[in-house]
Amino acid sequence: DAGVIQSPRHEVTEMGQEVTLRCKPISGHNSLFWYRQTMMRGLELLIYFNNNVPIDDSGMPEDRFSAKMPNASFSTLKIQPSEPRDSAVYFCASSYGTGTYEQYFGPGTRLTVT
Amino acid sequence: GNSVTQMEGPVTLSEEAFLTINCTYTATGYPSLFWYVQYPGEGLQLLLKATKADDKGSNKGFEATYRKETTSFHLEKGSVQVSDSAVYFCALRLQGGSEKLVFGKGTKLTVNP
Repeated sequence: DAGVIQSPRHEVTEMGQEVTLRCKPISGHNSLFWYRQTMMRGLELLIYFNNNVPIDDSGMPEDRFSAKMPNASFSTLKIQPSEPRDSAVYFCASSYGTGTYEQYFGPGTRLTVT
Repeated sequence: GNSVTQMEGPVTLSEEAFLTINCTYTATGYPSLFWYVQYPGEGLQLLLKATKADDKGSNKGFEATYRKETTSFHLEKGSVQVSDSAVYFCALRLQGGSEKLVFGKGTKLTVNP
């Protein structure tokens, strides 16, 4: 069974450019999470969806960040315009809310903004 | 607020040594507690969990016991291997149905042969 798929795996962009990160959750999972990992702040939850609906976006840093989940098998995290301080590893995770709530993480996208 | 505090790393051990990584939490109510592991270049994987006081989670030789009186969930392993080298994250999930996890900063473990 395929795990959580993220693309691209690495992204290097210049300040001011738009960046779009993509995630395909595990088939059948109904919750999807976007995290950001940095040395300074550790692992932070940015937003999570349940049944394609955003449930908690309190971790989204500012208006430059937006996330969508148009259907159960696809989500995007967009940064526009990007800034050097957005450089981080962005993880997508999914889960099936049966009570176990184990979150399955993708391999991450390493974003570098120069 | 709700938070998780882990011991500062990095931790370096020799193979077959005993491992303890301390984790304490602050939360309202009775959270569920988790240990996740991140191997180099990969995403996090669930290692073990405990959902109520005095529960012991275990997997791959690792154990952790949910101690409500000390608000702790320390990770232990009796004999570490080189393949255990990774970053370990303690996390909590609040009761009440939210799926949000609050993670500690992570503790990097290196095991030398």
